[in-house]
Amino acid sequence: DVKVTQSSRYLVKRTGEKVFLECVQDMDHENMFWYRQDPGLGLRLIYFSYDVKMKEKGDIPEGYSVSREKKERFSLILESASTNQTSMYLCASSPPAGEGSPLHFGNGTRLTVT
Amino acid sequence: AQKITQTQPGMFVQEKEAVTLDCTYDTSDQSYGLFWYKQPSSGEMIFLIYQGSYDEQNATEGRYSLNFQKARKSANLVISASQLGDSAMYFCAMGTSGGSYIPTFGRGTSLIVHP
Repeated sequence: DVKVTQSSRYLVKRTGEKVFLECVQDMDHENMFWYRQDPGLGLRLIYFSYDVKMKEKGDIPEGYSVSREKKERFSLILESASTNQTSMYLCASSPPAGEGSPLHFGNGTRLTVT
Repeated sequence: AQKITQTQPGMFVQEKEAVTLDCTYDTSDQSYGLFWYKQPSSGEMIFLIYQGSYDEQNATEGRYSLNFQKARKSANLVISASQLGDSAMYFCAMGTSGGSYIPTFGRGTSLIVHP
């Protein structure tokens, strides 16, 4: 089974802090994704990556950056955390994009910015 | 642009009955895939079922089936014989050829199964 592991289940950070959310997958998947989930808004794509050192902006990239130095690891960075970034963050991976490739998700990181 | 609409914020169903969760989509691409995911209260997202735009048969996976009506651009999830463990959020998603098959998600439907 594919395993996608997010390093923290819960995080509490202060406004202005630099925050790193880490995600590791063990199935050699090319694609990795970061989504943000808010009640009533569903999942919104922040960034995704097709390969090492490659990144593409999703629908809501403002205030975030990403890093993919190794194929198995995809990090989401909040450069200066703000209270409106309080949310559930979901990492996912998949084989090369194709019509029928479902995403494999981690368990999520619930981030609170105070 | 691609768009997924789930119009039912919440649904209730009696145990052992069937329930349909609605999903409509909008895309101008001819090639696309439709997915349903389940998210229990524990938070993990679980892939349930997939339907390709060129598939002529409706997809089925155990108690889950996808009622695919291409002309109406709908991809409703049908859960037969509901169980208490089916209580969860359900998300419809779509990936299109024009969008590099990067999934776009709907806002979700919360399903509660009553005993």
